Amino acid sequence: QSALTQPASVSGSPGQSITISCTGTSSDVGRYNFVSWYQHHPDKAPKLMIYDVRRRPSGVSNRFSGSKSGNTASLTISGLQAEDEADYYCCSYVTNNTWMFGGGTKLTVL
Amino acid sequence: QVHLVESGGGVVQRGGSLRLSCTASGFTFSDYAMHWVRQAPGRGLEWVAFIRHDGSKAYYGDSVKGRFTVSRDNSKNTLSLQMDSLRPEDTAVYHCAKWSTGVSDWFDPWGQGTLVTVSS
Repeated sequence: QSALTQPASVSGSPGQSITISCTGTSSDVGRYNFVSWYQHHPDKAPKLMIYDVRRRPSGVSNRFSGSKSGNTASLTISGLQAEDEADYYCCSYVTNNTWMFGGGTKLTVL
Repeated sequence: QVHLVESGGGVVQRGGSLRLSCTASGFTFSDYAMHWVRQAPGRGLEWVAFIRHDGSKAYYGDSVKGRFTVSRDNSKNTLSLQMDSLRPEDTAVYHCAKWSTGVSDWFDPWGQGTLVTVSS
């Protein structure tokens, strides 16, 4: 497997909630609770939004939440705001000090 | 404030070499393992390499194994990525990122990246 599977795009209106899925296998997402999510605006450094499946770093809005079921992790953004429009990437620890990113999801706030 | 700045990117011909650097500040560099992650034009993020805090061991993604070498100089707060036998598909923005402590798992913060272009 070359990358975790994410939808190419999702969209929502301001105030709505959206969920981005990240599907791996029993060797990565399903095996470890080491899934993290990153927000990436063009020409900026990616920003950590969620780590260890559901933990939120200080300074990240509580509108962002993470979860996992089996081989699929999810990022939910509630109360969508225009500033949330960005690319989002999941990442999972795989094994033996290697990691894998998802293909990325472009979030459009309508 | 934790800060990472990459440098060394540029244009190189297929088969050539390039050395990237990442200068760290705002934290005790020698206490933390580090990553390199890249993003090819129009593509997603791809994990490239990981090096332990003391430089004792390094790990690589399959697409760069045997061609790239990650190293660090803790006395200079600098992380490096030596890239040899470069291919057009190595064209990407290369980011360095600080890793968590091992009990948890995250990449934070990231540098803004340096662009590598491999011409054919």
